[in-house]
Amino acid sequence: NAGVTQTPKFRILKIGQSMTLQCTQDMNHNYMYWYRQDPGMGLKLIYYSVGAGITDKGEVPNGYNVSRSTTEDFPLRLELAAPSQTSVYFCASSTSPDRENTIYFGEGSWLTVV
Amino acid sequence: AQTVTQSQPEMSVQEAETVTLSCTYDTSESNYYLFWYKQPPSRQMILVIRQEAYKQQNATENRFSVNFQKAAKSFSLKISDSQLGDTAMYFCAFIYTSGTYKYIFGTGTRLKVLA
Repeated sequence: NAGVTQTPKFRILKIGQSMTLQCTQDMNHNYMYWYRQDPGMGLKLIYYSVGAGITDKGEVPNGYNVSRSTTEDFPLRLELAAPSQTSVYFCASSTSPDRENTIYFGEGSWLTVV
Repeated sequence: AQTVTQSQPEMSVQEAETVTLSCTYDTSESNYYLFWYKQPPSRQMILVIRQEAYKQQNATENRFSVNFQKAAKSFSLKISDSQLGDTAMYFCAFIYTSGTYKYIFGTGTRLKVLA
């Protein structure tokens, strides 16, 4: 029972480089989310998706892009990495809010931009 | 706008004692769900307990229980018989069953259990 799987777990990027954080879930959840967590802080929503082909911005979308071509996958793209994007990134998924409602998280991806 | 407030940035408790973490929220919705998540030093997010707003009975999970006061928009977490493994950051979260389906998280309470 894999749940939500994120890769890579750790990555160091140079300023200006780009990369994609991969996220996949095997629970057939319609809803998927990307959060970032800065040191000692709470979670901030970057992007979310309510189903394949549908994405929307969260609180802090600048510098990121997402796509949702399948129910299972929700990759997060960082373009032109900046030091301000140093953070821990969490992918999450859930059923629709009128059903089980629990949000399940991946183990996090530690990203450092130098 | 929906908000979740955790007014205690840090707390400590002696092992085997009881501690209560507070959470208040602001919403005009009537149907919603509330959660407490635990984040140990490993940074993994672990569901502790969940409460449906339409249920008057407070949720319990072993040593963890909540005091849900809907009128006061309060959702506190009580940890009984605290253990060293309870040391973690605790996040209160909220989602309502209509609208944009975004979970809203508080800023967290860092709990340290002392031996």
